[in-house]
Amino acid sequence: GAVVSQHPSRVICKSGTSVKIECRSLDFQATTMFWYRQFPKQSLMLMATSNEGSKATYEQGVEKDKFLINHASLTLSTLTVTSAHPEDSSFYICSAQGQGATAEAFFGQGTRLTVV
Amino acid sequence: QQQVKQSPQSLIVQKGGISIINCAYENTAFDYFPWYQQFPGKGPALLIAIRPDVSEKKEGRFTISFNKSAKQFSLHIMDSQPGDSATYFCAAGTDKLIFGTGTRLQVFP
Repeated sequence: GAVVSQHPSRVICKSGTSVKIECRSLDFQATTMFWYRQFPKQSLMLMATSNEGSKATYEQGVEKDKFLINHASLTLSTLTVTSAHPEDSSFYICSAQGQGATAEAFFGQGTRLTVV
Repeated sequence: QQQVKQSPQSLIVQKGGISIINCAYENTAFDYFPWYQQFPGKGPALLIAIRPDVSEKKEGRFTISFNKSAKQFSLHIMDSQPGDSATYFCAAGTDKLIFGTGTRLQVFP
């Protein structure tokens, strides 16, 4: 399958600081990227959908000013957690979807964020 | 209409046995039904996927059975191996995916 690279895999930050997570599609052009959050032993919860060159669409209950998403190119999307707090600690996962009718999406390795 | 219900929550199978995980969806507009395998601390990996124009798809030891009228689909893992021990998620959707709650599979030697 296609390769999606997510970086960093782990990050620890202090409360009040911002953290940026990168998601890259390495061997295909991703017109759409998705960002998920996963709590321990729970399912993936979609946070937002981003299309290249346009504003992200956020799911209900997700603060767009706190979770800034940028999808500036067909191979890169970033999620910035602004003014992070301990309750933002979670596993964040991106997925990338190519062009065409298929909804097939490939996931990154995930980022474990710990806010102390 | 956006829910995807997955069962069982956990499953213990002996090596060589068949693992069966079931999912049900509500939205008849959904046209893509993938299954993902996730190991601890890793992102989900696509295992196998099906579209509603077929009732079954097989790839190696993994088979999806799809029942459009019942709005149900299932994953069968034949000859289950200890290396298959992971959490499995079904998903359904069109342009974006709704995930099931996950099934933790443990395969014992």
